[in-house]
Amino acid sequence: EVQLVESGGGLVKPGGSLRLSCAASGFTFSNYNMNWVRQAPGKGLEWVSCSTSSDNYTQYADSVKGRFTITRDNAKNSLFLQMNSLRPEDTAVYYCARGRWLTVTTDFDYWGQGTLVTVSS
Amino acid sequence: DIQMTQSPSSLSASVGDRVTITCRASQDISNYLAWFQQKPGKAPKSLIYTASTLESGVPSRFSGSGSGTDFTLTISSLQPEDFATYYCQQYDRYPVTFGGGTKVEIK
Repeated sequence: EVQLVESGGGLVKPGGSLRLSCAASGFTFSNYNMNWVRQAPGKGLEWVSCSTSSDNYTQYADSVKGRFTITRDNAKNSLFLQMNSLRPEDTAVYYCARGRWLTVTTDFDYWGQGTLVTVSS
Repeated sequence: DIQMTQSPSSLSASVGDRVTITCRASQDISNYLAWFQQKPGKAPKSLIYTASTLESGVPSRFSGSGSGTDFTLTISSLQPEDFATYYCQQYDRYPVTFGGGTKVEIK
């Protein structure tokens, strides 16, 4: 059974940093592109970032480019999102999502339960 | 970026009703369109991909159609567990983008 379990969310002040983790199991992690997708409270879904299966290519939404960094550890079946210079508008539930296709442009076949990031003073 | 417009934004329906949700892309996306279901406090769940392919384990009362710019999600006979918010997503062009959602409520 595919499982994605996020952790690392919490309350942080504007300008602060946070590192999210996603632990994957039930599939060969290194064979899949992995993504972060976020959802602000009461709002819709926004793709944030993608890491390709071999970690040789990453992509970011314009709203987080230069502030967020996606990495992965294929040996530990884990995905990470380092979030710096956080802004109140980054407040959201952050989901780890598996890409169905081996392209940056993909839909998502499995999602984690999400971790809440709150940016507030 | 490709804009995805869903309509309606919300609807009220009864158990057994046929429900149709529309998603329109701001440019041609071929059939690179997915549909998700989200219940309150839960993660989105994949229902349909490539516009009309049903995800494994999803009931056959769900169906998707369309290509180019206009797409439809249909629930043939609404069940109590189908009350949720539904999102479309295009994955033809970077960045992938989602529709604003359609909330299906109990009448």
